Amino acid sequence: EPEVTQTPSHQVTQMGQEVILRCVPISNHLYFYWYRQILGQKVEFLVSFYNNEISEKSEIFDDQFSVERPDGSNFTLKIRSTKLEDSAMYFCASSESGLADSYEQYFGPGTRLTVT
Amino acid sequence: AQKVTQAQTEISVVEKEDVTLDCVYETRDTTYYLFWYKQPPSGELVFLIRRNSFDEQNEISGRYSWNFQKSTSSFNFTITASQVVDSAVYFCALSGVKTSYDKVIFGPGTSLSVIP
Repeated sequence: EPEVTQTPSHQVTQMGQEVILRCVPISNHLYFYWYRQILGQKVEFLVSFYNNEISEKSEIFDDQFSVERPDGSNFTLKIRSTKLEDSAMYFCASSESGLADSYEQYFGPGTRLTVT
Repeated sequence: AQKVTQAQTEISVVEKEDVTLDCVYETRDTTYYLFWYKQPPSGELVFLIRRNSFDEQNEISGRYSWNFQKSTSSFNFTITASQVVDSAVYFCALSGVKTSYDKVIFGPGTSLSVIP
C-alpha cells in the first residue's frame, strides 16, 4: 500500500540553526500539508500546499517557516532559525484529488525535532 | 470557527471491558468530514475512520464502532472487548469540504490505557 514517508525520523539541532524536514508524498497526490504536535498536545495544522503554492497557513506558520516542492517527489518544510519551542513532532500529509468523496489525508510517520 | 472537544483526557479500563471515547464538534459548515485517528506510543497517526456529515449511519468495524449524532454534534467511538494493544491516544478530528485542501482540525486527544 502506498504511504507517505518522512526523513529523518529524529532530528536534533541547536537553537538558531536552520533545519529542513523532508517528506515524500504518495505519488499521485496533489495536495500536501504539514502539521505539528508539541509533546503531549494536539496535532495542529501548519500549512497546505497545492499547485506549487501555499493554499492556507496557520498563525503558527510565520516567516521562520517555508515550504517547497523542489522536485516531483519531495515536499520540504524549512525552519530558518530554530527556537526551543519548535521542538515537536512534525507530520507531513498528502491527499489525492478535489473529489470530496475520495478526500482523505494520509499522514507520514512524523519527524521528531528536538531543539537544544 | 471549527472546534473539536474531547472531554476525557485519560481513561483506564481493564482488558475486555468496553470503552467509549467522546467527541463533540463545532462547525458552521453544512458539509464536513469527521475522523478518528489512533496514535500509539510509537508516535505515528493511524487513520481509523472518516464520516461524511450527510451519512449518519453508525458504523462497525470489528471491535470498533462509531456513533454519529448530528443533532448533538457528537461522534463517539466505542471499543468493544478492549485489548492491551488498544492503549494509545485517540484523536477525533474535523475537516470542511469547501476545498480539497481543507485542513484537519484535531481535538486534544484521549489517552486510553488498557490494563491486563
